[in-house]
Amino acid sequence: SAVISQKPSRDICQRGTSLTIQCQVDSQVTMMFWYRQQPGQSLTLIATANQGSEATYESGFVIDKFPISRPNLTFSTLTVSNLSPEDSSIYLCSVWTGQTYEQYFGPGTRLTVT
Amino acid sequence: GENVEQHPSTLSVQEGDSAVIKCTYSDSASNYFPWYKQELGKRPQLIIDIRSNVGEKKDQRIAVTLNKTAKHFSLHITETQPEDSAVYFCAASSDAGGTSYGKLTFGQGTILTVHP
Repeated sequence: SAVISQKPSRDICQRGTSLTIQCQVDSQVTMMFWYRQQPGQSLTLIATANQGSEATYESGFVIDKFPISRPNLTFSTLTVSNLSPEDSSIYLCSVWTGQTYEQYFGPGTRLTVT
Repeated sequence: GENVEQHPSTLSVQEGDSAVIKCTYSDSASNYFPWYKQELGKRPQLIIDIRSNVGEKKDQRIAVTLNKTAKHFSLHITETQPEDSAVYFCAASSDAGGTSYGKLTFGQGTILTVHP
C-alpha cells in the first residue's frame, strides 16, 4: 500500500484567509484526489489532481475556491481560499495505486474556521 | 452522476453476532465497490473491495456480495468483536476507459457498535 502524509494535520484559521494543505506519497502514483468530509458526514470528492495539467473539479467545487497543484507524481497541494465557517471540515488526500488497484487515504487535515 | 444509498445508518450488535450493511447504487457503469472502516479521528481504511466480475469475496470474518442486476452490494461481518466498532462506508466508482478509478461516490455511512 502507498504511504500518504499530509501537512498540516490540523489548523485553525480566520475567516477570509486561506489554507494550503500538502499531500506527499512515498511512491509515484498516477491518480491523486482530494476529498472533503464535513463533521459527522460522508466523504465527497472535490477534484482530481492531474499531473502537469489543471485539476478536474466535481460539481459544486470551483478552482477559485479550491486551487490545486500537482507538480509531480508524488506531491499535490490543495488550497482552500477565502475561508468561511462552512469550510470547517476534514480534507483528505487520496491515491489510486495502479499496481494493486486499490485506493488509499491520507490521514486528513482538520480545518476549523473561526 | 452516481448515487449510493447505505443502510442502516446505525447498527448495534452483541459481540459474536453478525452484522450486515447494505448499499445500492444507481449507475450501471459502476464496477468497483470498496468498503472503508473509519475509527474516530482516523482516516478511512480499506477493508475489502469487489469488482463487478465477481459476486462474492471473503477475507476472514469479512465478506462482500454484489448483485449487479439489482445494483446492490453488502458487507457481512461475522463473529463481531468490540474492535469492529467504527463507521463503515461503502463506495462505488466506474472505470470509464481506465481513467475514473479513484473517483469514489460514498454512501452515507453506518455507525456499527459491538457490545461486549
